[in-house]
Amino acid sequence: SQTIHQWPATLVQPVGSPLSLECTVEGTSNPNLYWYRQAAGRGLQLLFYSVGIGQISSEVPQNLSASRPQDRQFILSSKKLLLSDSGFYLCAWSEGSQPQHFGDGTRLSIL
Amino acid sequence: EDQVTQSPEALRLQEGESSSLNCSYTVSGLRGLFWYRQDPGKGPEFLFTLYSAGEEKEKERLKATLTKKESFLHITAPKPEDSATYLCAVLGNTGGFKTIFGAGTRLFVKA
Repeated sequence: SQTIHQWPATLVQPVGSPLSLECTVEGTSNPNLYWYRQAAGRGLQLLFYSVGIGQISSEVPQNLSASRPQDRQFILSSKKLLLSDSGFYLCAWSEGSQPQHFGDGTRLSIL
Repeated sequence: EDQVTQSPEALRLQEGESSSLNCSYTVSGLRGLFWYRQDPGKGPEFLFTLYSAGEEKEKERLKATLTKKESFLHITAPKPEDSATYLCAVLGNTGGFKTIFGAGTRLFVKA
Protein backbone atom coordinates (compact mmCIF):
# COMPACT_ATOMS: atom_id res chain seq x y z
CA SER A 1 0.00 0.00 0.00
CA GLN A 2 0.99 3.60 -0.48
CA THR A 3 2.28 5.80 2.33
CA ILE A 4 3.35 9.41 2.54
CA HIS A 5 5.90 10.79 4.95
CA GLN A 6 6.25 14.44 5.79
CA TRP A 7 8.69 16.00 8.23
CA PRO A 8 9.28 17.68 10.53
CA ALA A 9 5.92 17.74 12.33
CA THR A 10 6.65 21.12 13.90
CA LEU A 11 9.23 23.77 13.19
CA VAL A 12 10.03 27.11 14.76
CA GLN A 13 12.24 29.38 12.68
CA PRO A 14 13.42 33.00 12.97
CA VAL A 15 12.50 35.57 10.34
CA GLY A 16 15.05 35.61 7.54
CA SER A 17 16.21 32.02 8.03
CA PRO A 18 16.04 29.37 5.27
CA LEU A 19 13.47 26.57 5.09
CA SER A 20 13.41 23.03 3.78
CA LEU A 21 10.40 20.74 4.22
CA GLU A 22 10.55 17.27 2.77
CA CYS A 23 7.89 14.86 1.62
CA THR A 24 8.33 11.32 0.31
CA VAL A 25 5.83 8.82 -1.03
CA GLU A 26 6.19 5.04 -1.01
CA GLY A 27 4.35 2.35 -2.91
CA THR A 28 3.58 4.21 -6.14
CA SER A 29 5.41 5.40 -9.24
CA ASN A 30 5.23 8.80 -10.95
CA PRO A 31 2.64 10.25 -8.60
CA ASN A 32 1.32 13.78 -8.84
CA LEU A 33 2.68 15.69 -5.85
CA TYR A 34 1.28 18.78 -4.16
CA TRP A 35 2.18 21.34 -1.49
CA TYR A 36 -0.64 23.16 0.30
CA ARG A 37 -0.77 25.75 3.06
CA GLN A 38 -3.70 25.88 5.46
CA ALA A 39 -4.34 28.93 7.62
CA ALA A 40 -6.16 28.38 10.93
CA GLY A 41 -9.84 27.65 10.27
CA ARG A 42 -9.38 28.14 6.54
CA GLY A 43 -9.37 25.97 3.44
CA LEU A 44 -6.38 24.54 1.62
CA GLN A 45 -4.34 26.90 -0.55
CA LEU A 46 -2.46 25.09 -3.32
CA LEU A 47 1.13 26.34 -3.49
CA PHE A 48 2.86 23.98 -5.95
CA TYR A 49 2.14 20.80 -7.83
CA SER A 50 4.27 18.45 -9.89
CA VAL A 51 3.36 15.80 -12.46
CA GLY A 52 6.92 14.53 -12.88
CA ILE A 53 10.58 14.89 -11.94
CA GLY A 54 11.73 18.46 -12.44
CA GLN A 55 8.23 19.63 -13.43
CA ILE A 56 6.91 22.21 -10.98
CA SER A 57 3.88 24.44 -11.37
CA SER A 58 3.52 27.42 -9.04
CA GLU A 59 0.06 28.59 -8.11
CA VAL A 60 0.75 31.58 -5.89
CA PRO A 61 3.60 34.11 -6.27
CA GLN A 62 5.44 34.08 -2.96
CA ASN A 63 8.58 33.63 -0.99
CA LEU A 64 8.61 29.86 -1.46
CA SER A 65 9.88 27.43 -4.07
CA ALA A 66 9.51 23.70 -4.67
CA SER A 67 11.68 21.02 -6.21
CA ARG A 68 11.25 17.38 -7.17
CA PRO A 69 14.71 15.84 -7.33
CA GLN A 70 13.41 12.25 -7.39
CA ASP A 71 10.18 10.61 -8.54
CA ARG A 72 8.70 10.30 -5.06
CA GLN A 73 10.36 13.22 -3.28
CA PHE A 74 8.97 16.73 -3.07
CA ILE A 75 10.74 19.57 -1.26
CA LEU A 76 9.41 22.97 -0.21
CA SER A 77 12.05 25.65 0.33
CA SER A 78 12.63 29.27 1.12
CA LYS A 79 15.83 31.30 1.19
CA LYS A 80 14.50 33.84 3.69
CA LEU A 81 11.36 33.24 5.73
CA LEU A 82 8.82 35.98 6.36
CA LEU A 83 6.38 36.24 9.26
CA SER A 84 3.57 35.65 6.76
CA ASP A 85 5.02 32.22 5.93
CA SER A 86 3.71 30.83 9.22
CA GLY A 87 1.08 28.16 8.80
CA PHE A 88 0.27 24.48 8.44
CA TYR A 89 1.95 22.95 5.39
CA LEU A 90 0.58 19.79 3.84
CA CYS A 91 2.04 17.50 1.20
CA ALA A 92 -0.23 15.27 -0.87
CA TRP A 93 -0.03 12.76 -3.70
CA SER A 94 -2.43 11.37 -6.27
CA GLU A 95 -2.50 9.07 -9.27
CA GLY A 96 -4.05 10.77 -12.26
CA SER A 97 -7.52 12.06 -11.42
CA GLN A 98 -7.86 9.89 -8.33
CA PRO A 99 -8.33 11.59 -4.92
CA GLN A 100 -5.34 13.11 -3.21
CA HIS A 101 -3.88 11.57 -0.07
CA PHE A 102 -2.22 13.77 2.52
CA GLY A 103 0.66 13.64 4.93
CA ASP A 104 0.26 14.69 8.55
CA GLY A 105 1.56 18.20 7.90
CA THR A 106 4.20 20.53 9.29
CA ARG A 107 3.26 23.30 11.70
CA LEU A 108 5.62 26.18 10.87
CA SER A 109 5.97 29.11 13.27
CA ILE A 110 8.06 32.13 12.36
CA LEU A 111 9.39 34.27 15.20
CA GLU B 1 -13.64 29.22 -12.59
CA ASP B 2 -14.19 26.12 -10.46
CA GLN B 3 -15.59 26.90 -7.00
CA VAL B 4 -16.65 25.00 -3.89
CA THR B 5 -18.76 26.46 -1.08
CA GLN B 6 -19.49 24.51 2.09
CA SER B 7 -22.20 25.22 4.63
CA PRO B 8 -22.64 25.62 7.48
CA GLU B 9 -19.21 26.79 8.63
CA ALA B 10 -19.79 25.08 11.96
CA LEU B 11 -22.39 22.64 13.23
CA ARG B 12 -23.04 21.57 16.79
CA LEU B 13 -25.05 18.38 17.36
CA GLN B 14 -26.05 16.27 20.29
CA GLU B 15 -25.00 12.65 20.15
CA GLY B 16 -27.57 10.76 18.07
CA GLU B 17 -28.91 13.90 16.36
CA SER B 18 -28.68 13.27 12.61
CA SER B 19 -27.92 16.10 10.17
CA SER B 20 -26.39 16.97 6.80
CA LEU B 21 -23.48 19.03 5.56
CA ASN B 22 -23.76 20.84 2.23
CA CYS B 23 -21.21 21.30 -0.55
CA SER B 24 -22.22 23.49 -3.50
CA TYR B 25 -19.93 23.42 -6.48
CA THR B 26 -19.35 24.99 -9.87
CA VAL B 27 -17.03 23.10 -12.18
CA SER B 28 -16.32 22.72 -15.86
CA GLY B 29 -16.88 19.03 -16.36
CA LEU B 30 -16.81 17.13 -13.10
CA ARG B 31 -14.19 14.40 -12.96
CA GLY B 32 -14.71 13.71 -9.27
CA LEU B 33 -16.08 15.14 -6.03
CA PHE B 34 -14.22 14.15 -2.87
CA TRP B 35 -15.04 14.24 0.82
CA TYR B 36 -12.36 14.32 3.50
CA ARG B 37 -12.29 14.32 7.27
CA GLN B 38 -9.64 16.42 9.04
CA ASP B 39 -8.82 16.15 12.74
CA PRO B 40 -7.02 19.05 14.47
CA GLY B 41 -3.31 19.15 13.68
CA LYS B 42 -3.60 16.34 11.10
CA GLY B 43 -3.78 16.07 7.36
CA PRO B 44 -7.14 15.43 5.67
CA GLU B 45 -8.21 11.79 5.52
CA PHE B 46 -9.97 10.65 2.36
CA LEU B 47 -13.56 9.42 2.81
CA PHE B 48 -15.44 9.21 -0.50
CA THR B 49 -15.31 9.89 -4.23
CA LEU B 50 -18.48 10.62 -6.21
CA TYR B 51 -18.40 10.82 -9.99
CA SER B 52 -21.92 11.43 -11.29
CA ALA B 53 -25.28 12.81 -10.21
CA GLY B 54 -27.36 10.28 -8.34
CA GLU B 55 -24.39 8.41 -6.97
CA GLU B 56 -24.24 7.57 -3.25
CA LYS B 57 -21.48 6.18 -1.03
CA GLU B 58 -21.72 4.99 2.57
CA LYS B 59 -19.26 4.33 5.37
CA GLU B 60 -20.46 3.60 8.89
CA ARG B 61 -22.57 6.61 9.96
CA LEU B 62 -21.70 8.70 6.89
CA LYS B 63 -23.44 8.80 3.54
CA ALA B 64 -22.43 11.07 0.67
CA THR B 65 -24.78 11.98 -2.17
CA LEU B 66 -24.33 13.97 -5.36
CA THR B 67 -26.49 16.12 -7.63
CA LYS B 68 -25.39 18.26 -10.57
CA LYS B 69 -24.85 21.26 -8.30
CA GLU B 70 -24.45 19.94 -4.75
CA SER B 71 -23.21 17.15 -2.58
CA PHE B 72 -24.46 16.29 0.88
CA LEU B 73 -22.70 14.43 3.64
CA HIS B 74 -25.39 12.89 5.81
CA ILE B 75 -24.40 11.93 9.35
CA THR B 76 -26.75 9.45 11.02
CA ALA B 77 -26.80 9.18 14.83
CA PRO B 78 -23.41 10.86 15.23
CA LYS B 79 -21.04 10.07 18.07
CA PRO B 80 -18.50 12.40 19.74
CA GLU B 81 -15.72 10.72 17.77
CA ASP B 82 -17.29 12.06 14.56
CA SER B 83 -16.26 15.56 15.64
CA ALA B 84 -13.88 16.91 13.00
CA THR B 85 -13.71 19.28 10.04
CA TYR B 86 -15.22 17.83 6.87
CA LEU B 87 -13.80 19.08 3.57
CA CYS B 88 -15.36 18.86 0.14
CA ALA B 89 -13.27 19.13 -3.04
CA VAL B 90 -13.84 18.93 -6.80
CA LEU B 91 -11.65 18.02 -9.75
CA GLY B 92 -12.80 19.41 -13.08
CA ASN B 93 -11.83 18.99 -16.69
CA THR B 94 -9.81 22.20 -16.75
CA GLY B 95 -6.74 22.95 -14.65
CA GLY B 96 -4.98 19.62 -15.04
CA PHE B 97 -4.94 17.72 -11.73
CA LYS B 98 -5.67 20.71 -9.50
CA THR B 99 -8.35 19.94 -6.95
CA ILE B 100 -10.40 22.82 -5.56
CA PHE B 101 -11.19 22.56 -1.84
CA GLY B 102 -13.96 24.17 0.14
CA ALA B 103 -13.23 25.85 3.47
CA GLY B 104 -14.83 22.98 5.39
CA THR B 105 -17.55 22.45 7.99
CA ARG B 106 -16.44 22.06 11.59
CA LEU B 107 -18.64 19.45 13.27
CA PHE B 108 -18.92 19.23 17.05
CA VAL B 109 -20.84 16.31 18.54
CA LYS B 110 -21.61 16.53 22.23
CA ALA B 111 -22.19 13.45 24.37
